[in-house]
Amino acid sequence: NAGVTQTPKFRILKIGQSMTLQCTQDMNHNYMYWYRQDPGMGLKLIYYSVGAGITDKGEVPNGYNVSRSTTEDFPLRLELAAPSQTSVYFCATHHSGNTIYFGEGSWLTVV
Amino acid sequence: DQQVKQNSPSLSVQEGRISILNCDYTNSMFDYFLWYKKYPAEGPTFLISISSIKDKNEDGRFTVFLNKSAKHLSLHIVPSQPGDSAVYFCVPRGSTLGRLYFGRGTQLTVWP
Repeated sequence: NAGVTQTPKFRILKIGQSMTLQCTQDMNHNYMYWYRQDPGMGLKLIYYSVGAGITDKGEVPNGYNVSRSTTEDFPLRLELAAPSQTSVYFCATHHSGNTIYFGEGSWLTVV
Repeated sequence: DQQVKQNSPSLSVQEGRISILNCDYTNSMFDYFLWYKKYPAEGPTFLISISSIKDKNEDGRFTVFLNKSAKHLSLHIVPSQPGDSAVYFCVPRGSTLGRLYFGRGTQLTVWP
């Protein structure tokens, strides 16, 4: 997981609160992704970016927003947190090869 | 609509024996298939991959087989070791923008 840093690692939110999950990479990769993993499920794509200034929706974008002002950073914003957003969130990066590098994950609980 | 199916949620194998993890997919447009391994409280890590133009790729103890006509691939681990105990994800890649599709994963447990 070298090169992809996610913060915070753990967070408890109250319903209706907002927060931002931070993701930073130092590999100068163009592609960045946000996934969520619910218990017993595979990872699902929330949003992705193919480069600075460009973002697009994945499979499950509702309730989230992203921005990509620099190559290094790809923050994920949760507005009006809901219990359904309790999950583990993974940021990932990819350049031109076939390997995608994941961060260590951020555990979010909405109560 | 699940495009990737890993029908065995768990697999238990004795150390030294072969582990076979299976994966089925529905989308014939997938051009690359990756396997990721995930330990608890960590992000997934890349294990091995195979291009859709090949039917086998080997890397040490790990071999991936692809049967395009059956839309089926499998990961063989020989010999299995306790450190291989993890969740394994079958991850086809779409041809557009490197989009990944994750299966639900198979929990492999290798016991001594």
